[in-house]
Amino acid sequence: NAGVTQTPKFQVLKTGQSMTLQCAQDMNHEYMSWYRQDPGMGLRLIHYSVGAGITDQGEVPNGYNVSRSTTEDFPLRLLSAAPSQTSVYFCASSYPSGRAWNTGELFFGEGSRLTVL
Amino acid sequence: AQKVTQAQTEISVVEKEDVTLDCVYETRDTTYYLFWYKQPPSGELVFLIRRNSFDEQNEISGRYSWNFQKSTSSFNFTITASQVVDSAVYFCALSEAQNTGTASKLTFGTGTRLQVTL
Repeated sequence: NAGVTQTPKFQVLKTGQSMTLQCAQDMNHEYMSWYRQDPGMGLRLIHYSVGAGITDQGEVPNGYNVSRSTTEDFPLRLLSAAPSQTSVYFCASSYPSGRAWNTGELFFGEGSRLTVL
Repeated sequence: AQKVTQAQTEISVVEKEDVTLDCVYETRDTTYYLFWYKQPPSGELVFLIRRNSFDEQNEISGRYSWNFQKSTSSFNFTITASQVVDSAVYFCALSEAQNTGTASKLTFGTGTRLQVTL
């Protein structure tokens, strides 16, 4: 199983450019989310989705857009990149809490390191 | 609002020492889940344990053990006889479980970097 796949793994952007970080999972998970990791700040939730067609904001949503047209994919779009968005981005997936087999574990991708100049 | 505090930014120990990583949480929920994740130098995040708010039993898994105390809102993690391979950043996390579907919406602490040397 591939699990959670993120692309690209590394990206350098100039201020003002736009880009999309891709996330795909093959575990039929309904819940998907994006976190950013910054030194000394842990992981902070950007956006999440509890199923296809449903998205919601997390703690730090400004400057990012998401959509969930399929169960498998959850892309994160940076509309106009800023240096403050330099970070490592993690996509994660899980079953919803109501499922008996759900341990509550988040399955993470390997991360995407983004630098905005 | 939920909050997770890991006051220890960095800990250094010599191999075979025991080490405890502290985690204190804040939540208004009566039902919640607590987690520990490991992030080795390679960067991936590895799930270690999940504990729900109704289960205060301590858990032991090999050299790892967890002490959950609701009275002090703490969920501490102890590594016994530490090894160099334990060197990593460890994150404690809290989720809201009141709303079906969002129990995986985790709030993370800032992490504790553990360095184990020979």
